[in-house]
Amino acid sequence: EPEVTQTPSHQVTQMGQEVILHCVPISNHLYFYWYRQILGQKVEFLVSFYNNEISEKSEIFDDQFSVERPDGSNFTLKIRSTKLEDSAMYFCASRGTGRSSSYTFGSGTRLTVV
Amino acid sequence: GQNIDQPTEMTATEGAIVQINCTYQTSGFNGLFWYQQHAGEAPTFLSYNVLDGLEEKGRFSSFLSRSKGYSYLLLKELQMKDSASYLCAVRDLTGANNLFFGTGTRLTVIP
Repeated sequence: EPEVTQTPSHQVTQMGQEVILHCVPISNHLYFYWYRQILGQKVEFLVSFYNNEISEKSEIFDDQFSVERPDGSNFTLKIRSTKLEDSAMYFCASRGTGRSSSYTFGSGTRLTVV
Repeated sequence: GQNIDQPTEMTATEGAIVQINCTYQTSGFNGLFWYQQHAGEAPTFLSYNVLDGLEEKGRFSSFLSRSKGYSYLLLKELQMKDSASYLCAVRDLTGANNLFFGTGTRLTVIP
């Protein structure tokens, strides 16, 4: 069964440092998403991406965040200057076209900012 | 905006049936999804409803009433491995049809 692959599985970084989280969506999917989940809290929408540009973004996705699809397969989330409150699990998801197409999530990157 | 409510925790006995409710108020609605999430893992897809009524899929069924802004997930013949969080999520009407999650219901199955 096709998978969404995320790397690294764990990332520890110092406050103020830049991090890039990597995702390889399912190859024939066209819509890509980033979500985050702070420990013990709900899964929160960050941003959606379609046709090589941001489709929508939430209030969480401020100027410190950016996304890129640098080639035909990777989809990255960059946090420019990490804060302690950025510590969370970050999930990438993708979906195909079609009304009933489900959203497939990657296994996540656990980001810890110290 | 999106407002999606679920009970925080539920406990049920192995072999029993449990119903997890979800109510929502959203600015745009384009379907409701249920996901299962084990601790520290990714959400995995369980079911999808866009029209009113019941969708059955093995031991899992999901019901939707759009007029009431209400859905439930029904789990039958509970097994210990069903202990997990169950996430209700609503898809919006924006271009990318973003998915918005409720807080999740943590289900504990006891022997």
